[in-house]
Amino acid sequence: DAGVTQSPTHLIKTRGQHVTLRCSPISGHKSVSWYQQVLGQGPQFIFQYYEKEERGRGNFPDRFSARQFPNYSSELNVNALLLGDSALYLCASSSSKNTEAFFGQGTRLTVV
Amino acid sequence: AQSVTQPDIHITVSEGASLELRCNYSYGATPYLFWYVQSPGQGLQLLLKYFSGDTLVQGIKGFEAEFKRSQSSFNLRKPSVHWSDAAEYFCAVGAKGNQGGKLIFGQGTELSVKP
Repeated sequence: DAGVTQSPTHLIKTRGQHVTLRCSPISGHKSVSWYQQVLGQGPQFIFQYYEKEERGRGNFPDRFSARQFPNYSSELNVNALLLGDSALYLCASSSSKNTEAFFGQGTRLTVV
Repeated sequence: AQSVTQPDIHITVSEGASLELRCNYSYGATPYLFWYVQSPGQGLQLLLKYFSGDTLVQGIKGFEAEFKRSQSSFNLRKPSVHWSDAAEYFCAVGAKGNQGGKLIFGQGTELSVKP
């Protein structure tokens, strides 16, 4: 079975631009979470979607948004990019309550 | 406030030596605890998890961790380190019913292995 897949793997954007990151969960997993990992730090929770509904949001500005599609894949959108948005963005999926999260390889976003 | 603390930013051990990585947490609800490993530029791989029951849990690659509620700790151990264990290790805490999401991570411990 395929794991969590994220696209693209690397991305370079200019300040002020918009970016869309994509995530396909493990087949059968209905929960998708997004995390931001700045260099040298642990991942920080951004969003969680479960059964296409937002189930949680971390301490991130409104420039960050996300959605989950009927096939449980997800998009993370970031508007008006800042240099500080440069990070590894990780997507994780899980199957149901009380289970562990499986992570994708991440999207490395560089804002210049 | 909910938080995870990994006191050691960087640890160096000799190959074949034992390893212990420390993790302390502060969490209001009954915690679900995890250890993940990350190689440079890669995603996170789950080493082991604690949900309930036996407080000593076994994971992949010969790792184990012990949950100590009285100390709010979940330290990771390995009796004999291999060069391939060099990586970044993250402790994380979550809650029952969060469908695997909303994890709170520590800042990580970078492990170097000397030949």
